[in-house]
Formats: sequence, structure tokens, C-alpha cells
Amino acid sequence: EVQLVQSGAEVRKPGESLKISCEGSGYSFSTYWIGWVRQMPGKGLEWMGLIYPADSDIRYSPSFRGQVTISDDKSINTAYLQWSSLKASDTAIYYCVRPSGVNSAVDVWGQGTTVIVSS
Amino acid sequence: DIHMTQSPSFVSASVGDGVTISCRASQGVSTWLAWYQQKPGKAPTLLISAASRLERGVPRRFSGSGSGTDFTLTIASLQPEDSATYFCQQANNFPYTFGQGTKVEIK
Repeated sequence: EVQLVQSGAEVRKPGESLKISCEGSGYSFSTYWIGWVRQMPGKGLEWMGLIYPADSDIRYSPSFRGQVTISDDKSINTAYLQWSSLKASDTAIYYCVRPSGVNSAVDVWGQGTTVIVSS
Repeated sequence: DIHMTQSPSFVSASVGDGVTISCRASQGVSTWLAWYQQKPGKAPTLLISAASRLERGVPRRFSGSGSGTDFTLTIASLQPEDSATYFCQQANNFPYTFGQGTKVEIK
């Protein structure tokens, strides 16, 4: 079964750092793009960025460039999303996603990681 | 970024009714358009890709059409389990933007 399994919920204070993970299984991890999608409370879906594990090519949405860092470790089939200094406005559910190909829909979604940033 | 606009934002319909959701792109996206269903507390699931290709396991009452800038998701005969929020998403240009969502409520 193809799946993406994300790390658990996190509660942090403003200014703290955080790194969440997404492990892929059931498919060739290196040969599919992995993306991150944000959903703020009660809101819609926002595409943050993409990484191609085979060569670690990374694309950021302009809205998120400089705000987060996307990385991967293909030796353990895992992608990461990290913040160096969280803000309250980073409170959201973060989904890792796998588009089925270039210019393709997302056919696999992680279960989501809830991040709460509160003092 | 390509801006995706869905309408309506909310629809309330009875079981058995037909429901149509529109999605308009600010510039042409060919047929690189997908539709997702999201139920409360769950990750979205893919219903339709490439504007009109029904994903495996998705009931045939769902259908998609359109190309370029105007797209439609149709639910032919609404069922109780279709209560959810539906999103369109373009995959023509990165960032792959989503519409704001349409909440479908069963009367």
C-alpha cells in the first residue's frame, strides 16, 4: 500500500524551531515529487513547496519562500518541513502530499500534522 | 500565481438532487485540473484528475468537465456521504493553487 506517514502533533512557543517529517512507503520514494500543503484553522489549502528526492530539487511557493525549509533524506524515504522561528500564524495542519507525476494531481496524502504555536 | 475561484462557496441540497460546482482559473491551465473532497478532520481525497478522469473507487455520480479556464464538478444524485468540502486545484503552473472550497450540506 502506498502511504505517507507524518510525525505527530506539535505544540511550540513563538520563536521556537520545529521540524516535522513525512515517511513514504510502498513506492519508489526517490522518483516522485513530495509536496507540503498548509491548511490554517477553518481555511482552505495552500501549496507550500515541492521536493524531488532523486536530486533534492526544491521549489517553493513565493508565499512560503524564506519562511520554511523543505528537505529530504532519501536513505530513509523521508521528507521534512522545518521552521527556524515559529509564529502564531504558523498554527495549522500541514499535509505532505505526493503528486502522481509532473503536472499531476495529488493521489496520496499524509494524515496531516497539527502544529500549534502559542505562548 | 494562478488564482482559482470556486462558486458557490456553500450549497445546501437534498438527497437525490444534482449539484454543480464551478471553478475558474485566472489563466488557462489546459486540463491540469483536479477535484478533491475533504471531510471534517480528514485529509482531502482525490476525486477527479485531468479535469474529467474519475479516480478508481470514486462513485460514478461524480463527474468533471472543462478545459482552459472554466471547469465543473457535478454530483449527479447527492448522497448523505457527499456532505463535505470540495476543492479544485490547478497543476499547470507551480505553485499548484487551490480554489477556496465549496461546502456541500445535505438538507
